[in-house]
Amino acid sequence: KNQVEQSPQSLIILEGKNCTLQCNYTVSPFSNLRWYKQDTGRGPVSLTIMTFSENTKSNGRYTATLDADTKQSSLHITASQLSDSASYICVVILQRGSTLGRLYFGRGTQLTVWP
Amino acid sequence: SAVISQKPSRDICQRGTSLTIQCQVDSQVTMMFWHRQQPGQSLTLIATANQGSEATYESGFVIDKFPISRPNLTFSTLTVSNLSPEDSSIYLCSVLDRVFYNEQFFGPGTRLTVL
Repeated sequence: KNQVEQSPQSLIILEGKNCTLQCNYTVSPFSNLRWYKQDTGRGPVSLTIMTFSENTKSNGRYTATLDADTKQSSLHITASQLSDSASYICVVILQRGSTLGRLYFGRGTQLTVWP
Repeated sequence: SAVISQKPSRDICQRGTSLTIQCQVDSQVTMMFWHRQQPGQSLTLIATANQGSEATYESGFVIDKFPISRPNLTFSTLTVSNLSPEDSSIYLCSVLDRVFYNEQFFGPGTRLTVL
């Protein structure tokens, strides 16, 4: 069964600290993996997109890693800011020929950054 | 990047009525999708809105309950019919922008509360 599991479900950190969010998936065959940030009351916004051949990708203070062998990904946030408070969603896309396959969404990790 | 707007942003409806949600994109896109995000849950794909033909529904979603229109490449509507409290959710549209390396952009969402 194709699934995407994220941990932790929620996380509270102090401003300026680093944190790492986890995503484990069983989606196969795998096309690409995306991390999104969803602010309260807003639609998700893409942070990173990684194909199976990429191990790491950065976007400012956000760094995503991917281990396609173990089917694990992580999102590392450096020097957290209050504006990082949001839900972070891991999305895995099923490979389906040359077209975009079905999307599988994780439940998200709710991150709260305290001053 | 594609800019997506949704109307209404939120609504409160009575049981048994219907709500039509509009999704407008500022550029022509090939693929548009509708998602549901129930409280505290991950996003779930409802259907792919196909231009000029019937939408493609995911398992568990049917046209009678969620009729979709896609009259052109920049606009789509989702109707949630015969509303019940279980339909209270956030409904989001998204588009696939092949210009931006298959980037998927999400609308801000429509928050529906059914009394």
